[in-house]
Amino acid sequence: QKEVEQDPGPLSVPEGAIVSLNCTYSNSAFQYFMWYRQYSRKGPELLMYTYSSGNKEDGRFTAQVDKSSKYISLFIRDSQPSDSATYLCAMSPMDSSYKLIFGSGTRLLVRP
Amino acid sequence: DTGVSQNPRHKITKRGQNVTFRCDPISEHNRLYWYRQTLGQGPEFLTYFQNEAQLEKSRLLSDRFSAERPKGSFSTLEIQRTEQGDSAMYLCASSTAGGAAGYTFGSGTRLTVV
Repeated sequence: QKEVEQDPGPLSVPEGAIVSLNCTYSNSAFQYFMWYRQYSRKGPELLMYTYSSGNKEDGRFTAQVDKSSKYISLFIRDSQPSDSATYLCAMSPMDSSYKLIFGSGTRLLVRP
Repeated sequence: DTGVSQNPRHKITKRGQNVTFRCDPISEHNRLYWYRQTLGQGPEFLTYFQNEAQLEKSRLLSDRFSAERPKGSFSTLEIQRTEQGDSAMYLCASSTAGGAAGYTFGSGTRLTVV
């Protein structure tokens, strides 16, 4: 079993929809939680970063971390065709915060 | 210096040949990382440098793989005697000492072993 599980999708939504992306994890030592966006043939780009539990909002993006359930989410409001990409969750433990453990990514397609 | 630069962008090689990739990090970043990403998967950690010191190597990094970062600036990743299973995107990232929150990834080198 992988340390971080993520539904690969693809997830197809109409423009303007609210998108919900999720990851579950098994390692209770994870303290840092991140969401990356990756366009085809490009490197991952950091979208959201959260330390420990709680919510964080940045524009149309909201990240939630529930450590008791080992579950993290990314919500995208008013989705745009330009949001079409692969979304990767990543996490790291306190004692080796430099090393990211990624999920396999969810492909998102926002239809005009 | 606007980001992490990786060269070449794409490399096609025959099985058994050696290949070398280069990564130029953001100049003020003292940490440099290599990850490997296969199709449909997330990146997997390979190794990490702080300045010129290689501080951790994943067990994914077999004896055929070697990474260097002379003088704590650019880094090279060499794969000897390539195998078809080495076909992947090799990603380089750099950060300051803050670690996870400060990663910037390059666009990667896509290796195809035929």
